[in-house]
Amino acid sequence: KAGVTQTPRYLIKTRGQQVTLSCSPISGHRSVSWYQQTPGQGLQFLFEYFSETQRNKGNFPGRFSGRQFSNSRSEMNVSTLELGDSALYLCASSLAGTGQSDTQYFGPGTRLTVL
Amino acid sequence: AQSVTQLGSHVSVSEGALVLLRCNYSSSVPPYLFWYVQYPNQGLQLLLKYTTGATLVKGINGFEAEFKKSETSFHLTKPSAHMSDAAEYFCAVSVAAGNKLTFGGGTRVLVKP
Repeated sequence: KAGVTQTPRYLIKTRGQQVTLSCSPISGHRSVSWYQQTPGQGLQFLFEYFSETQRNKGNFPGRFSGRQFSNSRSEMNVSTLELGDSALYLCASSLAGTGQSDTQYFGPGTRLTVL
Repeated sequence: AQSVTQLGSHVSVSEGALVLLRCNYSSSVPPYLFWYVQYPNQGLQLLLKYTTGATLVKGINGFEAEFKKSETSFHLTKPSAHMSDAAEYFCAVSVAAGNKLTFGGGTRVLVKP
């Protein structure tokens, strides 16, 4: 079974631009979560989508948004980029068929650099 | 709210020596606990997880961890370090409501020949 895929793997943008990152979950997984990883703040939860609905949200400004499609693929968008948005953005998928916490499997990440 | 503390941001071990990575958590409800490993320029790979049942959990690559409720700890061990174990290790906790993982700060492991 193919793992979680993320595109693109690397991205360079300038301040003020917007960016869209894509994530394709493992086949059959219905939950997709996004995390931001930076040297200063570590790994932080952005949001989770399940069945096209945002089910959980972290403490990030409204510039960070996401969506999920009917095939469970997900995108996240960051508008008006700031230097501090430079990070590795990780996507994780899980079955999430019940209320129990099942296992999240991570993709390789998208490295975003904001100049 | 839950939180995770990993003691030691860097650990250096000799090849063949014991690897011990410490993780303490706080949670208002029974937690689910995970250890992930991250190799350079890669995502996170699950090593092992504790949900319910046996408190000693065995994972991949010879790693294991023991859930100690009284100590709110979930330390990761491997009896004999290998050069390929050089990576960054993350402890994480989640609760039953949804799939939000809260991570510790990570411990970078250096293995000396």
